[in-house]
Amino acid sequence: GDSVTQMEGPVTLSEEAFLTINCTYTATGYPSLFWYVQYPGEGLQLLLKATKADDKGSNKGFEATYRKETTSFHLEKGSVQVSDSAVYFCARLSGGFKTIFGAGTRLFVKA
Amino acid sequence: GAGVSQTPSNKVTEKGKYVELRCDPISGHTALYWYRQSLGQGPEFLIYFQGTGAADDSGLPNDRFFAVRPEGSVSTLKIQRTERGDSAVYLCASSLSGGTIGNTEAFFGQGTRLTVV
Repeated sequence: GDSVTQMEGPVTLSEEAFLTINCTYTATGYPSLFWYVQYPGEGLQLLLKATKADDKGSNKGFEATYRKETTSFHLEKGSVQVSDSAVYFCARLSGGFKTIFGAGTRLFVKA
Repeated sequence: GAGVSQTPSNKVTEKGKYVELRCDPISGHTALYWYRQSLGQGPEFLIYFQGTGAADDSGLPNDRFFAVRPEGSVSTLKIQRTERGDSAVYLCASSLSGGTIGNTEAFFGQGTRLTVV
């Protein structure tokens, strides 16, 4: 079935470091792809999305590009802040409306 | 309300008991979703409502799980004869229109943490 695989955490970075969280998806169809974020004590929030190949989703300094050839949707940020500490989930649409989530990657950013 | 509200925030129950978890979606949102999140895992789809009807309940793990949304707003997830393996955070989400949770942004509640002892 449809699935999403993302790098295991936790990822620990110093402030202003470059962030990459890898994500790959099963290549059935051409699904919409998402990154969700869960800040401590808060609910899941949509961070960014891309709906077709080569689209780049971006928000709050984060970016991810839909790569059909490598079935990837890696999350990047050029300079992380302490406030970016959270759990990040890569996800894909399946069956037109179900969202299939990866296991999540916890990010710690040190001051 | 301002966001998706789930009650209770925490529930501890004994094995074999019946529990109900409530979700109050954002006013006017026709689509409602239930997910289950086990420790260290991503959310797992359970059921999707469009209005009052369950459009897809294929994620419900077995017949001990049931969900309703009788008036097209509040939804209740019901679990009979709870087992220790049911312990998880149960998440509810709603979106303005249904069919494509991603193309119409879904808003998540903070979840109900269920512990079966």
